[in-house]
Amino acid sequence: DGGITQSPKYLFRKEGQNVTLSCEQNLNHDAMYWYRQDPGQGLRLIYYSQIVNDFQKGDIAEGYSVSREKKESFPLTVTSAQKNPTAFYLCASSPRPGSNSPLHFGNGTRLTVT
Amino acid sequence: QKEVEQNSGPLSVPEGAIASLNCTYSDRVSQSFFWYRQYSGKSPELIMSIYSNGDKEDGRFTAQLNKASQYVSLLIRDSQPSDSATYLCAVNGGGSQGNLIFGKGTKLSVKP
Repeated sequence: DGGITQSPKYLFRKEGQNVTLSCEQNLNHDAMYWYRQDPGQGLRLIYYSQIVNDFQKGDIAEGYSVSREKKESFPLTVTSAQKNPTAFYLCASSPRPGSNSPLHFGNGTRLTVT
Repeated sequence: QKEVEQNSGPLSVPEGAIASLNCTYSDRVSQSFFWYRQYSGKSPELIMSIYSNGDKEDGRFTAQLNKASQYVSLLIRDSQPSDSATYLCAVNGGGSQGNLIFGKGTKLSVKP
């Protein structure tokens, strides 16, 4: 079955450590996205990528970094510069950017930083 | 700043009733509109897409779009306890990126 796989499901880190969240898709989608969700909040866009080797900052990119070396993979690194990293992180994809297609979501990674 | 507004709820309806969820958006050039359902602790799942004015029905769900009023709604007929979740409205932000802008969601509770 095609889909988006995020790993791990739960992640615990100490403050000051960088951490990388994995996102892999086998839907052959061009566009991939990272969102953050806090309790009672909507989804906020961190980064997105429309094509391999290219990515753009979203609304809340500070303290995060991404790479898009392969079409299937779009890992997110939460750096120690991110002030409030504890959140639910969602990776998504769509067939083509600007295609009016809905986003397909992975199951999410819940990150807790203490 | 493009915005999508939803009542946060909670919206409580009895089992078997119609649940009505509403959403307004600020960007007049938006072309595509989506409703996602999100159970607690889970990721959003797409339940309806709508692209043109009017109603679109899919089983117990009906999406309604009024571009002139910048308003989109979701009706759930014969509500079931399993419909209890947070419903997110998402609007295409326009432009070549096509990024979706999400509302904060309306929490629906269906009482048996």
